[in-house]
Amino acid sequence: EVQLVESGGGLVQPGGSLRLSCAASGFTFSNYAMHWVRQAPGKGLEYISTVSDNGGRTFYPSSVRGRFTISRDNSRSTLYLQMASLRPEDMAVYYCARGRGGATKRYFDCWGQGTLVTVSS
Amino acid sequence: QSVLTQPPSVSGAPGQRVSISCTGSSSNIGAGSDVHWYQQLPGTAPKLLIFANNDRPSGVPDRFSGSKSGTSASLAITGLQAEDEADYYCQSYDSSLGDWVFGGGTQLTVL
Repeated sequence: EVQLVESGGGLVQPGGSLRLSCAASGFTFSNYAMHWVRQAPGKGLEYISTVSDNGGRTFYPSSVRGRFTISRDNSRSTLYLQMASLRPEDMAVYYCARGRGGATKRYFDCWGQGTLVTVSS
Repeated sequence: QSVLTQPPSVSGAPGQRVSISCTGSSSNIGAGSDVHWYQQLPGTAPKLLIFANNDRPSGVPDRFSGSKSGTSASLAITGLQAEDEADYYCQSYDSSLGDWVFGGGTQLTVL
């Protein structure tokens, strides 16, 4: 069974840093691009990062570029999101998701349960 | 303001058919990017419902179907059931932004 399990969320002060992890199982992790998607309380879904299957390419929307860093360890089947200079508007549930298809056809076929990041003083 | 526009809410009685629209532009849906749909039940993670405009993952009932035309797409649900009450999101790729984008979401209420 394909499974994604996020961890690392918690309370952090504005300007602080946090690293999220996503442990994958049930599939060959190194064969898939992986993504992070977040959802602020009571709001919709927002795509925030992508890493290619071998980790060589990363992508970010302007809202987090320069502050967030996505990476992966294929030997551990684990995805990471290093978040820095956190702002109150970064408070959200963060989901990792497996990607399928090329750029214009990409969809997210498996999702973790999410981990909550709270940014507050 | 989402790049893909969805109605905030729709509703229908059990057994009825409802449709949820997703309106984009010439840089996403109109450029030929595929549209995908996700269902998010209350308090849970999103789940893939429709991919590649009109394909269903295994396990998704054929009461759910997708279509795409021009710069818009639609999700149709027939034989509405109480368990369908959820938030629904469309998703595509925007070539101008170079990002994958979601619609703002539609809350479906089963009356």
